Amino acid sequence: KQEVTQIPAALSVPEGENLVLNCSFTDSAIYNLQWFRQDPGKGLTSLLLIQSSQREQTSGRLNASLDKSSGRSTLYIAASQPGDSATYLCAVGGTGRRALTFGSGTRLQVQP
Amino acid sequence: SAVISQKPSRDICQRGTSLTIQCQVDSQVTMMFWYRQQPGQSLTLIATANQGSEATYESGFVIDKFPISRPNLTFSTLTVSNMSPEDSSIYLCSVKEWDSLTVLRNEQFFGPGTRLTVL
Repeated sequence: KQEVTQIPAALSVPEGENLVLNCSFTDSAIYNLQWFRQDPGKGLTSLLLIQSSQREQTSGRLNASLDKSSGRSTLYIAASQPGDSATYLCAVGGTGRRALTFGSGTRLQVQP
Repeated sequence: SAVISQKPSRDICQRGTSLTIQCQVDSQVTMMFWYRQQPGQSLTLIATANQGSEATYESGFVIDKFPISRPNLTFSTLTVSNMSPEDSSIYLCSVKEWDSLTVLRNEQFFGPGTRLTVL
């Protein structure tokens, strides 16, 4: 059974810092990996999707990398802003018609 | 990307009653899923809603408690039956277009969620 772990559970940084969120998974036979953002009381916003054959994806100030063999992904946020404050969720897609398996999330607070 | 709507957006219910949550997608999709997010927790998959047949439930979830319907490729319902305060959660509908023969994105999208409080 796939297990997804995210470290750290919570992070507080001053505005402008670059930061890295970590995600690890136990079964490397994945189809893809998605990073989501969730604001309090809200639904999920998809940030980046990495296929298993890819090493990284970039969108604006966000960069996600994938090392399937070691079971790791990182989300890099450049020049953080208070508007980046949210919970960031990593989710792994298994082979076949399976749904995403989620990590427990990293709660990010960017201080002005 | 698919646009997903859910009704109701939130509800407060009494113990022992049932609530049906609707999920509507603006296009036909292959896969539809229902997730639960308990307070302060991450998302847990309840079941895969199968069009025209019984849903496939994850361990710990049963049809009598969470009956699911999917009459077509754009609509599904989840019922939370005989509710207790432990059922207070956000319930999220999710969709994915799956194709194993071509290189599609297979990105999974989520509805806005239904916030359920059981008193």
